[in-house]
Amino acid sequence: EPEVTQTPSHQVTQMGQEVILRCVPISNHLYFYWYRQILGQKVEFLVSFYNNEISEKSEIFDDQFSVERPDGSNFTLKIRSTKLEDSAMYFCASSVGRVDTQYFGPGTRLTVL
Amino acid sequence: KQEVTQIPAALSVPEGENLVLNCSFTDSAIYNLQWFRQDPGKGLTSLLLIQSSQREQTSGRLNASLDKSSGRSTLYIAASQPGDSATYLCAAPNTGNQFYFGTGTSLTVIP
Repeated sequence: EPEVTQTPSHQVTQMGQEVILRCVPISNHLYFYWYRQILGQKVEFLVSFYNNEISEKSEIFDDQFSVERPDGSNFTLKIRSTKLEDSAMYFCASSVGRVDTQYFGPGTRLTVL
Repeated sequence: KQEVTQIPAALSVPEGENLVLNCSFTDSAIYNLQWFRQDPGKGLTSLLLIQSSQREQTSGRLNASLDKSSGRSTLYIAASQPGDSATYLCAAPNTGNQFYFGTGTSLTVIP
């Protein structure tokens, strides 16, 4: 069964460094998402992406964040200058259509030191 | 802004029992609602999606209902098994496709 994959599974970085989290959505899906979950807290929406542009973003998704679909398969989340509070599990998800089931990847655990 | 609440926060039942998990949401103008399962340290597994036009959705031992007018959804698990032990999350969207999640119900099924 097709699934969303994410790399790396765990990323450790120093505060102020740039990180890129990578995702490969399910191949026939058209909508892509990033969420994050700080330890012990709710899963929070960051951004949705459709037709090569951001369709919606939350207040969390400020100028430090960017997303890109550099080719036909990858979907990336870049954090330009990481802060301690960016430490969280980051989940990528994809869906066929806007109102269809969102399928989540296994997540990337980001630790900012 | 959509607010999603799940009750109870934790639930412990003996194997074989039927159980109900509750989810409430504040903005009833939703087009769907999704239930997920999360195992410790893992990603989210989609269990059921209910479109706003539906009242129920079933998959195996799971049945989810949706009452938009009252802002409630329930997840019914029949004949619970130890493998059902996990955190169950409910997610409802805003008018776009931004999902808001509840804090989850942590379920333990005791053999």
